[in-house]
Amino acid sequence: KAGVTQTPRYLIKTRGQQVTLSCSPISGHRSVSWYQQTPGQGLQFLFEYFSETQRNKGNFPGRFSGRQFSNSRSEMNVSTLELGDSALYLCASSLRVNYEQYFGPGTRLTVT
Amino acid sequence: QQQVKQSPQSLIVQKGGISIINCAYENTAFDYFPWYQQFPGKGPALLIAIRPDVSEKKEGRFTISFNKSAKQFSLHIMDSQPGDSATYFCAASRNQGGKLIFGQGTELSVKP
Repeated sequence: KAGVTQTPRYLIKTRGQQVTLSCSPISGHRSVSWYQQTPGQGLQFLFEYFSETQRNKGNFPGRFSGRQFSNSRSEMNVSTLELGDSALYLCASSLRVNYEQYFGPGTRLTVT
Repeated sequence: QQQVKQSPQSLIVQKGGISIINCAYENTAFDYFPWYQQFPGKGPALLIAIRPDVSEKKEGRFTISFNKSAKQFSLHIMDSQPGDSATYFCAASRNQGGKLIFGQGTELSVKP
């Protein structure tokens, strides 16, 4: 069974731009969570989706948003990019809510 | 109260030795404690997880010890191998999964 896939793997954007990252969960998994990983702050929870509904949200500004589609695929969007948004963005899928989470390889976002 | 504190930050172990990583938490509502292993350029991989109704769980060379009264849990890697060299993260959540709160990570180096 294929794992979690994330596209693109690498991205370079300029401050002020916006970006959309995509995540395809493991086949059959219906819950998707997003995390930001930086050297300074470590792994921080962004949001969790199940059945196209956001169930949980972390402490990030409104510039960070996401959505989930009917096929469980998910996207997250960051608007008005700041230098501090440079990070590895990780998507994790799970069979259902409150179950083991399996991570994708991440999207490395660099903001210049 | 949402924090998970992990130590040590880095660890060097000889091949064949035991690697021990410790985590402590404050929120008594946490009921799921997974450990993840992350290699450079990869997403975190679920290694082993425990719930507070058991004090120990073993899978191969990896063992989680859990002390509910002390609000601490630890990962023991027996017969450590150079291939185990990676960054290890402990995490905690409520209702098994959902929003994972991660420790800061331990960079393990196993010397041949």
